[in-house]
Parts: sequence; structure tokens; C-alpha cells
Amino acid sequence: GENVEQHPSTLSVQEGDSAVIKCTYSDSASNYFPWYKQELGKGPQLIIDIRSNVGEKKDQRIAVTLNKTAKHFSLHITETQPEDSAVYFCAASKSGNYQLIWGAGTKLIIKP
Amino acid sequence: DAGVTQSPTHLIKTRGQQVTLRCSPKSGHDTVSWYQQALGQGPQFIFQYYEEEERQRGNFPDRFSGHQFPNYSSELNVNALLLGDSALYLCASSPGQGLYNEQFFGPGTRLTVL
Repeated sequence: GENVEQHPSTLSVQEGDSAVIKCTYSDSASNYFPWYKQELGKGPQLIIDIRSNVGEKKDQRIAVTLNKTAKHFSLHITETQPEDSAVYFCAASKSGNYQLIWGAGTKLIIKP
Repeated sequence: DAGVTQSPTHLIKTRGQQVTLRCSPKSGHDTVSWYQQALGQGPQFIFQYYEEEERQRGNFPDRFSGHQFPNYSSELNVNALLLGDSALYLCASSPGQGLYNEQFFGPGTRLTVL
């Protein structure tokens, strides 16, 4: 079955700098890759997603890239702000399989 | 436009008891999935309901069961609670016929088993 690995487990960056979180997946049939942000005591919030027919997607300060050949995808956050501090999860899914397979999460700390 | 709602917010039970958690999907969504999230881990898929039927199930025992109502809301039932069932239970909704598995999550129910 699908397996998603996520790195790093903790990432500390200076406010204003960029942050990059990376995930790899094992099932080449996976075709949907969402990223979620989870703040303490809350449910995961979908922040951006990418489908396998696209290599890159951007939404303001957030971007996601997908390399299907290498089976990895990354989240890029530019100009980080204190409110970006949270746990970020990547996930993968494929058509016909209704569950999301999740990475272990990355705790992002923005230092003032 | 109301998002996914869940009730109750918190719940404390003792071992051996039974619990029912509730979820209302996002407006326009007809599919509900349930996940269990242990502290410090990613969510684990329990099952998904579509058209009032369990469409897919993860690796959870039969003690975990569910139901979906005609208005698309859903319940998760857990019988014979174990200490290890303590977790955040998340409900996610999605459009059932979507090609991609876009899921939107509620705030969760924090279950503590003593």
C-alpha cells in the first residue's frame, strides 16, 4: 500500500525567511497531494493541493511542487510570519481509493 | 457557508463504555470520512460513508462502526472502549463524485478514556 514519508519533523526558521517541507510517496498511482496545516487543538486545514497533471501550484506565499518521476512533492512557504507556526502534514491519495495517506507531520517554528 | 461541524468538543469515558460522535458535513458535500489522530501523529483513516453505506474501511476493529443519515450527517460509534482509543477524532467531508479526494476537516472531538 501507499506510504508517505515527511521531512523534517521539526523546522525552525527566522521570521521573513523561507521554509521548505518535503514528502516522498511510494505508490506511483497516487494522483492527488494535499497539504494541511494544523494548529494546536484544531482540525487540519487544507492550505494547498496539487494534482498529478500539474508540476507546480502557487497561492500567494505558499507553493507546492511535484516530481512524479522521483515521487516526491514539497511545500514552500516564503516570507514566513508568526502565524505560520503550526504542524504541517502532507498526504497522498489516488482515484478509486478514498482514504488519505498522511505523512508524520512537520512542526514549523517561526522565530521572531 | 457552514464548514464541517462536530460534536461534542470533548468527551471523557471509562474503559468498556460506548461512545457516539457526530458530524455534519460542509454544505454541498455528501461524503463523510472519519479519522483517528493520536497525539503527535498524523490522522489514521477509519472509514468513509457515501449514500448511507460504508464505502471503504481502514485497519480498525469492528468495535468502530458508523452511520450516515439521509441528510449526509454521520455518527461514529466506538464500543468497549480501550485506553488506546484516547485520541482526537476527526470528521472530513468531500463531494462524493469528485475525481480527486479533496477532504475538508472539522475541529475534531477529543476523546479521553480513563
